[in-house]
Amino acid sequence: KQEVTQIPAALSVPEGENLVLNCSFTDSAIYNLQWFRQDPGKGLTSLLLIQSSQREQTSGRLNASLDKSSGRSTLYIAASQPGDSATYLCAVITDYGQNFVFGPGTRLSVLP
Amino acid sequence: DGGITQSPKYLFRKEGQNVTLSCEQNLNHDAMYWYRQDPGQGLRLIYYSQIVNDFQKGDIAEGYSVSREKKESFPLTVTSAQKNPTAFYLCASRDVGGVQETQYFGPGTRLLVL
Repeated sequence: KQEVTQIPAALSVPEGENLVLNCSFTDSAIYNLQWFRQDPGKGLTSLLLIQSSQREQTSGRLNASLDKSSGRSTLYIAASQPGDSATYLCAVITDYGQNFVFGPGTRLSVLP
Repeated sequence: DGGITQSPKYLFRKEGQNVTLSCEQNLNHDAMYWYRQDPGQGLRLIYYSQIVNDFQKGDIAEGYSVSREKKESFPLTVTSAQKNPTAFYLCASRDVGGVQETQYFGPGTRLLVL
């Protein structure tokens, strides 16, 4: 059964710092991986989706990489801002499944 | 505006009562999902539907029921058999077979027990 973990569980950084969030999954046979942002009491907003054939995706200050063989993905946030404060979740869908499996999330606080 | 709507935003359930959460999408997506989120935990799948008139149980389906009579609608009923229903419920849809197959989420419904 696919399991997804995220490290760290929480992270607090000063504004302007570059940071990396980690996502690990146990079954490397994934179809795609998606990173989401969740603000308190809100739904999830899609940030980046990486297809299994891709190595990375970029959107603005965000860059997500995927290493299927090692079961890892990283989300890189450049020049962090207080508005980046939120919980970041990763989710994978396996080749044989139809559903996303979510990690528990990393709660990020960017201090002004 | 294309997207997913959920209602109500807050819902209160009395002991022994069934309540229904609404989820509507105008994205023309085939697949729809219901997740439950508890504090400090990731999302857990309750039910999903790949096509109209068909749906499958997820990891925590006990005490819940769904229907999929229309492509755009996927209501979730929390039955009296669900003994711990207090949680944040999220509905999502996905364009299976589309270019990106990104999953889109609604704003959520918070269910509280009186």
